[in-house]
Amino acid sequence: QQPVQSPQAVILREGEDAVINCSSSKALYSVHWYRQKHGEAPVFLMILLKGGEQKGHEKISASFNEKKQQSSLYLTASQLSYSGTYFCGTAVSGSARQLTFGSGTQLTVLP
Amino acid sequence: GAGVSQSPSNKVTEKGKDVELRCDPISGHTALYWYRQSLGQGLEFLIYFQGNSAPDKSGLPSDRFSAERTGGSVSTLTIQRTQQEDSAVYLCASSLIGQYYEQYFGPGTRLTVT
Repeated sequence: QQPVQSPQAVILREGEDAVINCSSSKALYSVHWYRQKHGEAPVFLMILLKGGEQKGHEKISASFNEKKQQSSLYLTASQLSYSGTYFCGTAVSGSARQLTFGSGTQLTVLP
Repeated sequence: GAGVSQSPSNKVTEKGKDVELRCDPISGHTALYWYRQSLGQGLEFLIYFQGNSAPDKSGLPSDRFSAERTGGSVSTLTIQRTQQEDSAVYLCASSLIGQYYEQYFGPGTRLTVT
């Protein structure tokens, strides 16, 4: 069962902030965040592990609430380059590492 | 270093024909994944290879789909008797096996079945 992302789409002005949410009905081992620009491959942004550890790009921040099986991606002081579709991918164990992806959140940053 | 490469970048085939899609992972990455992305949709897991272990084929949509990985490196996804619903972008990703296993994606193969 795929995770649910919200919102489906968001439009921002440069410099504004946004939060993208990802929610799962299953107990998760990890949550991964990717950004995909039109016609390009998804690019890794962040991984958050059960237990609190995380790894990702410096300018990206995210949280993982293990009790609620929810993750949020925080985009602050957005830039034009942040535009794209954001996907969360979830893994339910550390041994089975294939990801189940949400349907994506389309982010558009306007000048 | 080089990223994940895939070939061909585009493939147009007639319904009923077989196709082979190739993935060359990042050197040293022992885990390899295939996903499928239909137009405007999210990514759908197909198959996962980890080292010398038996692959996880749980995402393959039908027995027309198969994949192999030779020498722990290059992988080939084969679709037999293609159908129009197979049209999609097929993405390959690779990762290390460790605590953090961020997946690096290739540019994909756009498959169009006419």
